[in-house]
Amino acid sequence: EPEVTQTPSHQVTQMGQEVILRCVPISNHLYFYWYRQILGQKVEFLVSFYNNEISEKSEIFDDQFSVERPDGSNFTLKIRSTKLEDSAMYFCASRADNSPLHFGNGTRLTVT
Amino acid sequence: DQQVKQNSPSLSVQEGRISILNCDYTNSMFDYFLWYKKYPAEGPTFLISISSIKDKNEDGRFTVFLNKSAKHLSLHIVPSQPGDSAVYFCAASGDNNNDMRFGAGTRLTVKP
Repeated sequence: EPEVTQTPSHQVTQMGQEVILRCVPISNHLYFYWYRQILGQKVEFLVSFYNNEISEKSEIFDDQFSVERPDGSNFTLKIRSTKLEDSAMYFCASRADNSPLHFGNGTRLTVT
Repeated sequence: DQQVKQNSPSLSVQEGRISILNCDYTNSMFDYFLWYKKYPAEGPTFLISISSIKDKNEDGRFTVFLNKSAKHLSLHIVPSQPGDSAVYFCAASGDNNNDMRFGAGTRLTVKP
C-alpha cells in the first residue's frame, strides 16, 4: 500500500538555525498537510496546501514557517530560525478527494 | 484551540470486553469526523470515519456513533484485543476538510 514518507526521522538543530523537513506524499494525492505534536500534547494543525498554494493555516504557522512543493513529489516544511519551543514531532499528511488523511511516521525535531 | 476534546487521557480494558472512547466537539460547522490510531514512533493511522448525515458507522469490531445534537461521538471496539492498545485520536473537519482538528488523544490499554 502506498504511504507517506518523511525524512529525516530525527533532526537535531541549534536554536536560530534553519531546518527543512521533507515529505513525499502519496503520488495521486492532491491535498497536503503538516501537523505537529509537542511531547505529551495534542496533534496540532499547522497548514494545508492545495494547487500549489496554502489553503489554510493555523496561528502556529507564523512567518518563521513556510511550505513548498518544489517538484512533483516532495512537500517541504521550512522553519527559518528555530526556537526551543519548535521541538516536536512533525507529521506530514496527504489525501485524495473525499478521503481521510494518510500520515507519515513523522520527523522528530529537537532544537537545542 | 479546544474545538475537539477527549476528556479521558487513558482507558484500561480487559481483553474481550468493550472499549468506549469518547469525544466532544464545539464547532457546529464540523461535519466529518474520524478516529485515528497511533502507535509509538508511527504516524496516526486512519481507523474509521462518519459524516454528519449518519449517526452510526460500523467496520468490523469498530463502530463510531455520532450524536450531533450533543456534539458528541464515540468509538466502540468490541471485542477489545491487546493489539488495540494505542493512542486513539478523534478528529473533525468542516466540508472543505482542509483544517482537520484533533483531540488530545486517549491511551487505550487492553489487558490480556
